[in-house]
This record gives sequence, structure tokens and C-alpha cells, in this order.
Amino acid sequence: DAKTTQPTSMDCAEGRAANLPCNHSTISGNEYVYWYRQIHSQGPQYIIHGLKNNETNEMASLIITEDRKSSTLILPHATLRDTAVYYCIVRVAYSGAGSYQLTFGKGTKLSVIP
Amino acid sequence: ETGVTQTPRHLVMGMTNKKSLKCEQHLGHNAMYWYKQSAKKPLELMFVYNFKEQTENNSVPSRFSPECPNSSHLFLHLHTLQPEDSALYLCASSPGNLYDEQYFGPGTRLTVT
Repeated sequence: DAKTTQPTSMDCAEGRAANLPCNHSTISGNEYVYWYRQIHSQGPQYIIHGLKNNETNEMASLIITEDRKSSTLILPHATLRDTAVYYCIVRVAYSGAGSYQLTFGKGTKLSVIP
Repeated sequence: ETGVTQTPRHLVMGMTNKKSLKCEQHLGHNAMYWYKQSAKKPLELMFVYNFKEQTENNSVPSRFSPECPNSSHLFLHLHTLQPEDSALYLCASSPGNLYDEQYFGPGTRLTVT
């Protein structure tokens, strides 16, 4: 799976949009971009995923650049409960050994400030 | 998120003990996973079960023994563990197709003394 690069940490004011970037310059055509987050001492939580089109759900929006080499997760109105480590994961979709593997990196620690 | 439950939430065990971790998913999923998260290290995938069949074992020591009696339940049997096995053990489930997302339980915080 392609490697991802994320900033180590970010701050965001409560109520403002949080924009979390991710670089995945070696992504291949059949790899999806997934975002998860992990609030302290809890299990990771799925947020959103996409292939090439922008995606939106009740939690966030995912913007993928046209060349697919980077993406941005947007939390439209950050709250204190959004303070967590956010992981950008690039994962190929295929059947066979390793197909279910999620490779978590170090992620971005987002701190939402009151 | 209460779709995936894990018990116990905390466990302290000696190196000669035998214990089991339990995971149950209420989402109708077909795939279940065990992950290990040690302090300051990324999540490590340990085992994958798809339709009750083990499909992956990421070079996990034999002192960890998984069991998947049905698609809703997953166990991790522990015996003769080492202090370095102390970690947060996370269970996850997913629908079981190629593109699906995984849903995690709250984890079991294991301390080996």
C-alpha cells in the first residue's frame, strides 16, 4: 500500500472548520483513501473513504485532488469532542492475503481549542 | 458506537495465567479482526477471520490463539504472556467486501505482570 504523510499535529478553534491534509504521492489507480480517527484510549472510528471523487457524509468531507496525490479531510464545525488522532490510510482493494489490512501510520493529532 | 463490544475492558494477568478476550459484533458483518496497539506504536493487525475462516495471521506468537465460532463472536486466548505483550487489544469487524470500512470496539487494556 502507498505511504502517506501527515502533519504531526494541528490546532483548530471550536466551531471553525478543521482541514487535515494528507499526501499520498505514490498512490496507484486502484487504491482508496480512508480516514479514521482515534480518541484517546478508545478504538479507532471510521470517518470516510473515497477513490477519486469528493465524498461527504454526516461526519466530514473528503476532498481528493485531481491527480490523487493528496487529499484533505474537512470537519465543517469542529467541536471539543473532535480532539483525536486522525489517520489517513491508502489501501488497495483486492481479494487475497493482505486485502483486509489497514496500515495505520502516526496520524495527525488534532486539538480543538475552546 | 456500540456495534462492537469487547470484554473485559481491563485485564491484569501474570505470566503463567491463561485468560481470554471476547469480542462480539452486532452489525451483521462477515469479517472480524484482532489488532494490538502498544504505547507509542501504530496499530498492528494480528488476525483476520472472514466467514469464520482465518484468512490472515501476521506472524503472531503462538501464545496468542484466536477462535471464531461464528461471524458474530471472536475470542483471543492468552497463555504464558510476557510483559511486553501489555497493550490495548482491539477487535474490529467489517461487512467483508473489498472496499469496506472497519468498525472497532473499545478495546481491552491488558497488563502482564
